[in-house]
Amino acid sequence: DQQVKQNSPSLSVQEGRISILNCDYTNSMFDYFLWYKKYPAEGPTFLISISSIKDKNEDGRFTVFLNKSAKHLSLHIVPSQPGDSAVYFCAARPSNNNDMRFGAGTRLTVKP
Amino acid sequence: DAGVTQSPTHLIKTRGQQVTLRCSPKSGHDTVSWYQQALGQGPQFIFQYYEEEERQRGNFPDRFSGHQFPNYSSELNVNALLLGDSALYLCASSYSPTGATGNTIYFGEGSWLTVV
Repeated sequence: DQQVKQNSPSLSVQEGRISILNCDYTNSMFDYFLWYKKYPAEGPTFLISISSIKDKNEDGRFTVFLNKSAKHLSLHIVPSQPGDSAVYFCAARPSNNNDMRFGAGTRLTVKP
Repeated sequence: DAGVTQSPTHLIKTRGQQVTLRCSPKSGHDTVSWYQQALGQGPQFIFQYYEEEERQRGNFPDRFSGHQFPNYSSELNVNALLLGDSALYLCASSYSPTGATGNTIYFGEGSWLTVV
């Protein structure tokens, strides 16, 4: 059962433009959401998170938006840089445990 | 500050064999989780260890077992290997088994297992 879905396997944007990565979830018990970035031959690296009590969290060029009613979250990267090229995973978990469920990932390519 | 370290980085096993993967958590962390990431998929939760006990388990068969040692390091064992067990096995650590906000989970670089 795929409780976290990233429907776009890849995304290509021009350097300096905005990158928007989307994620949908089905489990209403999820109330903490995370984005991880993964480079080849490395483990996933934590990027940004958001609790269900918020609808937006910002950290520098990265902003995560959460729409609980739609069970949808998105990651915005502005401005996009070539070094942002990586696979981005959306993850979700309930607040009372660390059983995280991941999406299949979106490969972001930022072109110079 | 050493992050999460895993060994070996790559290994090849034959179908039916057994494999042991090892993980040392990030300094200060006491909880270790294991994930399996098949090609083209996101990581899938196998199980979590805290205080040397398995606390949570994902949808994986009993062929997958683990252990946590008093120094918080952990092992993942897979018996009777199948071709479908070929994947990247990720270890992740955190300072608590609970999902408290801000309790970030850190991943190691993973162990690539190929079953032939």
